[in-house]
Amino acid sequence: DVKVTQSSRYLVKRTGEKVFLECVQDMDHENMFWYRQDPGLGLRLIYFSYDVKMKEKGDIPEGYSVSREKKERFSLILESASTNQTSMYLCASSPSGGKQETQYFGPGTRLLVL
Amino acid sequence: QKEVEQNSGPLSVPEGAIASLNCTYSDRGSQSFFWYRQYSGKSPELIMFIYSNGDKEDGRFTAQLNKASQYVSLLIRDSQPSDSATYLCAVNPPGRSASKIIFGSGTRLSIRP
Repeated sequence: DVKVTQSSRYLVKRTGEKVFLECVQDMDHENMFWYRQDPGLGLRLIYFSYDVKMKEKGDIPEGYSVSREKKERFSLILESASTNQTSMYLCASSPSGGKQETQYFGPGTRLLVL
Repeated sequence: QKEVEQNSGPLSVPEGAIASLNCTYSDRGSQSFFWYRQYSGKSPELIMFIYSNGDKEDGRFTAQLNKASQYVSLLIRDSQPSDSATYLCAVNPPGRSASKIIFGSGTRLSIRP
């Protein structure tokens, strides 16, 4: 079974703090994604990585950065957290090639920025 | 106009009936279409994908694609209480890498016993 894990289920941070969200997958997938999910807005792609050290901006990258130093690990960084970044953050991975549309999601991190 | 639109619901369907979930998309050149199910407090999981016009069946689930009208539907036959969840439609528009799909905001389905 594919397993995608995220470092925390719940986080509370203060405005201006630097926040790290970690995601690890154990299926040797090339592709990894960070989304945020907000009521009424659905899942929105923040960043995408298709290989180690490779990244592409998603639809809402402002205020975020990412790091992929190892294939299994994809980190999302909030350089200076703001209250409008309070959200559910979901990491996903998918293989390249024929089944690349099948994204496997982690359990999510619910972030509250005060 | 949103790229992928769904009625947020809730859609309430009696147990044993057919639940019909609809999704429209704006980019006519889109080629790949997906349905994800998300239980409350859980993460999404892929249940169906469809590429070609027409119907695709998998057990109690049928995905229907009409590219001319730019909609994709999910039918759930013999609805069960365990089908109560939010269903997310997703589309891979042209010009994006095959992995980068766009999600709708989801339709909440409730199956009443």
